[in-house]
Amino acid sequence: GENVEQHPSTLSVQEGDSAVIKCTYSDSASNYFPWYKQELGKRPQLIIDIRSNVGEKKDQRIAVTLNKTAKHFSLHITETQPEDSAVYFCAARGGSYIPTFGRGTSLIVHP
Amino acid sequence: NAGVMQNPRHLVRRRGQEARLRCSPMKGHSHVYWYRQLPEEGLKFMVYLQKENIIDESGMPKERFSAEFPKEGPSILRIQQVVRGDSAAYFCASSPSPVAGRDTQYFGPGTRLTVL
Repeated sequence: GENVEQHPSTLSVQEGDSAVIKCTYSDSASNYFPWYKQELGKRPQLIIDIRSNVGEKKDQRIAVTLNKTAKHFSLHITETQPEDSAVYFCAARGGSYIPTFGRGTSLIVHP
Repeated sequence: NAGVMQNPRHLVRRRGQEARLRCSPMKGHSHVYWYRQLPEEGLKFMVYLQKENIIDESGMPKERFSAEFPKEGPSILRIQQVVRGDSAAYFCASSPSPVAGRDTQYFGPGTRLTVL
């Protein structure tokens, strides 16, 4: 089955800095890679996703890059704000329709 | 357009009791997925259902756990004879389809189960 590794587990940045979270996956058949943000006690919310026919996707301060050859993908947040503080999960999904999630990255943005 | 609904939001049970968790998908979504989340861990897949069908239950323990998604009404995750290790947050998600382009999963607010 699919195995997703996510790093770092904790990321602390100053407001205005950039944050990068990296994930690797094992199944070369995976073709869909969503990212979710989960605030304490809340539901996971989709913030951006990318499919395997695209190498990069941007949405305002958030971008995701995908390297299919190396089987890794990354989330980039620019100009971080305190409200970006949350746990971020990556996921990879292939033909089974079931995404496999990483263990999460706790992002702390200090004002 | 109401999002995915789950109830109850919090559920306390004593060991040996039954827990019933309910999930109503987003309007227009007929695919439901249940996940379990332990503190400081990721989301672990349990079961994937379509109306009246279990599509994939590979992540659900064979004993004590069952799930259904009837033709009418919410999806139900049922845990019989709960044990302390069942304490976790249980999330459901829904999508319109498993097909690429319509497969994005949207999560409900979760049910936090505490077993005393």
